[in-house]
Amino acid sequence: GENVEQHPSTLSVQEGDSAVIKCTYSDSASNYFPWYKQELGKGPQLIIDIRSNVGEKKDQRIAVTLNKTAKHFSLHITETQPEDSAVYFCAARGNYGQNFVFGPGTRLSVLP
Amino acid sequence: EAGVAQSPRYKIIEKRQSVAFWCNPISGHATLYWYQQILGQGPKLLIQFQNNGVVDDSQLPKDRFSAERLKGVDSTLKIQPAKLEDSAVYLCASSLVGIPEAFFGQGTRLTVV
Repeated sequence: GENVEQHPSTLSVQEGDSAVIKCTYSDSASNYFPWYKQELGKGPQLIIDIRSNVGEKKDQRIAVTLNKTAKHFSLHITETQPEDSAVYFCAARGNYGQNFVFGPGTRLSVLP
Repeated sequence: EAGVAQSPRYKIIEKRQSVAFWCNPISGHATLYWYQQILGQGPKLLIQFQNNGVVDDSQLPKDRFSAERLKGVDSTLKIQPAKLEDSAVYLCASSLVGIPEAFFGQGTRLTVV
């Protein structure tokens, strides 16, 4: 089955700097890659996603890139703010009907 | 649009007791998921429904966990009897048929003592 690895497990950046979180997946049939942000005591919130027919997607300060050949995808956050501090999870999903497999998470701390 | 609703938010029980969690998905979402999230880990799927049918329950510990979605809308997840290792956050998520985006509720934090 699918296996998703995520690095780093923790990341501290200064406010205004950029943050990058990387994930790799094992199943070449996976075709949908969402990123979730989870704040303390809350459920995961979908922040951006990318499908396998797209190499990059941007939404304001957040971007995701996908390299299908290498089977890895990354989350990029620019101009980080203290409210970006949270745990971020990547996930991979195959064809419709298959469930998401999540990475272990990255705890991002944005220092003021 | 209302999000995924879950209750209760918190539950503390003794081992060997039973517990039930409730989820109401986003209106119109035929696909419903239950995930278990152990502290410090990513969510792990327990069971996936489409309408009132089970799509995937391969990771559900069926000797103690059960779930139902009788009318194809809300769902309950039950644990009986609970073990210490069941302490986790139980998350419910839902999505539209044919659309991959899934939206999560706030979860139920279960502590087994």
